[in-house]
This record gives sequence, C-alpha cells and structure tokens, in this order.
Amino acid sequence: QITLKESGPTLVKPRQPLTLTCTFSGFSLNTTGVSVGWIRQPPGKALEWLALIYWDDDTRYNPSLMSRLTITKDTSKNQVVVTMTNTDPVDTATYFCAHNYWGFDYWGQGTLVTISS
Amino acid sequence: DIQMTQSPSSLSASVGDRVTITCRTSQTIRNYLNWYQQKSGKAPQLLISAGYILQSGVPSRFSGSGSGTDFTLTISSLQPEDFATYYCQQSFSTPITFGQGTRLEIK
Repeated sequence: QITLKESGPTLVKPRQPLTLTCTFSGFSLNTTGVSVGWIRQPPGKALEWLALIYWDDDTRYNPSLMSRLTITKDTSKNQVVVTMTNTDPVDTATYFCAHNYWGFDYWGQGTLVTISS
Repeated sequence: DIQMTQSPSSLSASVGDRVTITCRTSQTIRNYLNWYQQKSGKAPQLLISAGYILQSGVPSRFSGSGSGTDFTLTISSLQPEDFATYYCQQSFSTPITFGQGTRLEIK
C-alpha cells in the first residue's frame, strides 16, 4: 500500500524559506521509472506543478519557480524534501506530494502553508 | 510550456446525465494526458492515465479518449458522488501542466 504524507510549517514569514518533507511508504525511489513530485494549490485555485525528482536523481522544476526551488531525496529515509526560498504571500497554498509513474497516482493529504507576517 | 485549455470551466448537470469535459493542448502530446477528480478539501484522485486507461477502482462510467491535442473525459451517467472539480494534466514534457479545472455542480 502506497502512502505519502507532507510535513512542515503551517506559517512562514515573507522572504523566509519554506521546507517541506514528504515521507512515503509502500514503494522505493530506487525503482526505475518512479518519481515523486510536488504540486500546490492556492485557496480556490487550480493545481500548479512545482518539481519532480526521479529514481535516478534527475530533477525537473517549474521554470517560473526554478530559481527558488530545490528538491532532494533521501532513499534511506523514504523522504523527498522541497525547499522554496524568498517566500511571498502569493505562495500561500496547500502543498501536495505525489508518487508519479503514469500520472500522479498516489497523493499525500496536503498541507496548508500560509505566508504571512 | 504546453498550455492546457479545459472546457467548460463549470457545468451544471443532473444525476443520470451524460457529461463530457474537453481538454485541448497547445501542442501535440500524443496520449500523455491524465484526468483527475478533486473533491472539496481533498487531494486529487487520478481517474484516467495515458488518455484512456481507467485506474483501478474507478467506476466504468468514467472514460477518456483523444490523442494529439484534443481529449475528452466522459461520465456516462452522473452519480451524486461525481460532483467535484476535474483537471486534465499533460505528462508529455516538463514543465508538467494542469488545466484550469472544470467544476461539476448539481443542477
């Protein structure tokens, strides 16, 4: 059974970094073809893809956010971490991590992060 | 970036209705198109991958078709639990992009 869960702060001050951790079980990020992605959703708005990390350590980023994002994995801990620098109130959103094989087929429950002073 | 255009953006329908949602992409993506259902306050659920492959556990009243730049999601007979927001997503190339969503409401 594949599960994922996001963790991290619920409130971040503007211009401070945001670090979110995705802890997963039921699969290995060493398996060929598997990746884990981060997707966010501002309140009442559509889904926005942020970043992806593959089994072979390849990483991909949304170009609109690439200068502010870093995604890493720790296969020994079954974790994927995303860090966003220089946050702004417009980054307020629910952040999801998801297992990606043919589509994002398993999702975490999401974590609401508010960027506010 | 590949732009995704979903239509309609909202739709009112009744239980038992047949509903079609369309997704058009700005360039060809072969069949690298996925459909998601999202209920309020929940994570999205993958319904269909690769344009037409129904995910395990998804009712057969859902179907997907299309290739290239034009895709459709069809619900053959709406059930009360189907009222939600639906998103298309292309996985042909990064950046991965989602449609703006179609909100399906009860008439």
